[in-house]
Amino acid sequence: DAGITQSPRYKITETGRQVTLMCHQTWSHSYMFWYRQDLGHGLRLIYYSAAADITDKGEVPDGYVVSRSKTENFPLTLESATRSQTSVYFCASSPEVTYGYTFGSGTRLTVV
Amino acid sequence: EDKVVQSPLSLVVHEGDTVTLNCSYEVTNFRSLLWYKQEKKAPTFLFMLTSSGIEKKSGRLSSILDKKELFSILNITATQTGDSAVYLCAVLGGSNYKLTFGKGTLLTVNP
Repeated sequence: DAGITQSPRYKITETGRQVTLMCHQTWSHSYMFWYRQDLGHGLRLIYYSAAADITDKGEVPDGYVVSRSKTENFPLTLESATRSQTSVYFCASSPEVTYGYTFGSGTRLTVV
Repeated sequence: EDKVVQSPLSLVVHEGDTVTLNCSYEVTNFRSLLWYKQEKKAPTFLFMLTSSGIEKKSGRLSSILDKKELFSILNITATQTGDSAVYLCAVLGGSNYKLTFGKGTLLTVNP
């Protein structure tokens, strides 16, 4: 299917475990982003990527790792999950830096 | 630090009312301002504004940008229950042209 897809939709994990959230887009957009959305904070940028093998930190990168070996995939890894990382995570993509973003459907992550 | 502030944070109206949502910003290297609507899932794109004073319109929704005063408004006329959602304002700019979001306005339209 064309578009941007995230998996899984829901995930429950234990404190200290490593977990990876997947993001895949079919448009060959250069730019991809990871945001987390929390009540009272809105959407905050975790990491972004301008192209394959180019990534940079956003506003709240601590505790997260990203990679982008292929243009279409941008996985987000929580190396050792903490309860404060319980959130809804959105992936987004854009063809150009000055365009608006298209968002995936989100992953609701609960860390217990 | 780039900042986007939306007001009000929440709003409850009756069907048929007209609402105005506000967004002010302080962003370096401003490129554009975007409005998104978020219901249960992902934010969906409404408008992108780049020039002052030019109204963008889509059905009952309209928006305008004032680059001198650094704000935008989103108007919804003749509201319907289906307009109930969180409306997000985001500004594209900063050192690496990233989107910075406000916290959103939760609009509830009662029948």
